[in-house]
Amino acid sequence: SQQGEEDPQALSIQEGENATMNCSYKTSINNLQWYRQNSGRGLVHLILIRSNEREKHSGRLRVTLDTSKKSSSLLITASRAADTASYFCATGPGGGYQKVTFGIGTKLQVIP
Amino acid sequence: DAGVIQSPRHEVTEMGQEVTLRCKPISGHNSLFWYRQTMMRGLELLIYFNNNVPIDDSGMPEDRFSAKMPNASFSTLKIQPSEPRDSAVYFCASSLAGELFFGEGSRLTVL
Repeated sequence: SQQGEEDPQALSIQEGENATMNCSYKTSINNLQWYRQNSGRGLVHLILIRSNEREKHSGRLRVTLDTSKKSSSLLITASRAADTASYFCATGPGGGYQKVTFGIGTKLQVIP
Repeated sequence: DAGVIQSPRHEVTEMGQEVTLRCKPISGHNSLFWYRQTMMRGLELLIYFNNNVPIDDSGMPEDRFSAKMPNASFSTLKIQPSEPRDSAVYFCASSLAGELFFGEGSRLTVL
């Protein structure tokens, strides 16, 4: 069964706008990761945020984590057509147990 | 490093045939994961290995599926006999410290 659920399932925006995707999960986690998948390709790791962190930045990406609400958000600022892809959150329970499970993803389309 | 290498990239077979998917993880990584991706069910974790030992195979759908990791540089996922509902993209990923590195996937079509 999937641990995380992304919201929305699909998002279409104009180039230059910001894109926000949300992820909710059910059980305690050690970390939460975001991945990107271009059509027909494997997933690529974007960012990892640990359970004791609240916010993390990487370039145009900003991730927040609220463990009390069991939710995370991924913000892509100043989106580009090349950001068009599916985005997945993944959770790992940690404690040496690396079972990483994924949500069903948000399909982002950035219109030039 | 060449990254995670999967083969074949595409496989078309007939129902009842045996299918073997192969994966070479990144050298030095100690965890290996097999996932299946379909439109209906998303990314499902089938099995994962740590230091070549299967740790959790609860996601393997049924006895027709089996996975092995005879050494740190090679793993196989076998389906015998295959069925049309096994059609999917199968991904292998390896990890050392939490971040997963994925291969490009093996797209399986069972007719």
